[in-house]
Amino acid sequence: DTAVSQTPKYLVTQMGNDKSIKCEQNLGHDTMYWYKQDSKKFLKIMFSYNNKELIINETVPNRFSPKSPDKAHLNLHINSLELGDSAVYFCASSRGTGGSEKLFFGSGTQLSVL
Amino acid sequence: GQNIDQPTEMTATEGAIVQINCTYQTSGFNGLFWYQQHAGEAPTFLSYNVLDGLEEKGRFSSFLSRSKGYSYLLLKELQMKDSASYLCAAKDSNYQLIWGAGTKLIIKP
Repeated sequence: DTAVSQTPKYLVTQMGNDKSIKCEQNLGHDTMYWYKQDSKKFLKIMFSYNNKELIINETVPNRFSPKSPDKAHLNLHINSLELGDSAVYFCASSRGTGGSEKLFFGSGTQLSVL
Repeated sequence: GQNIDQPTEMTATEGAIVQINCTYQTSGFNGLFWYQQHAGEAPTFLSYNVLDGLEEKGRFSSFLSRSKGYSYLLLKELQMKDSASYLCAAKDSNYQLIWGAGTKLIIKP
């Protein structure tokens, strides 16, 4: 079983559309994250949830809305997609938020906005 | 501000040793991570250091000097499969990860 799974792997869509990316982890972790990796390979934290509660909400456009129905799932909905949203989006989870807690990443979603 | 610096790209020969350096400036410090990311794949955890010194794990070792804000990842007996990007990340006082842009390591036969 895949530890952190996200779907879809590829998403090609037109500007102005609304799309969602789903993420699930079966590790029993308490904390989940959404990261954006741009063409320069920088990983930028977007959101983090701990036990379904939002704990990190970086400066991202409010077109991006995370939803955590339970602690095993963290979905990302994006409204009115723009060209600049094209990137790879990674979901990740960790046991907690402490110093040594390592991240387990999903395989990524390559979003291309045309 | 908070910042992580690491070289953009390095080249090494199969069977050799390579050292990838990382310097960090963070508000507080709660440990330093190294992750490996193959092209088109997700990052995977390699190592964590919070105390000064060297941590060895097979062919990979990671070193930390907190006083210098410096870490390195040492890869020995390089194999072609080690061609990847290596990401350095430090946790600040709020336990948030600050990421470097990664070092692309190219291994030549």
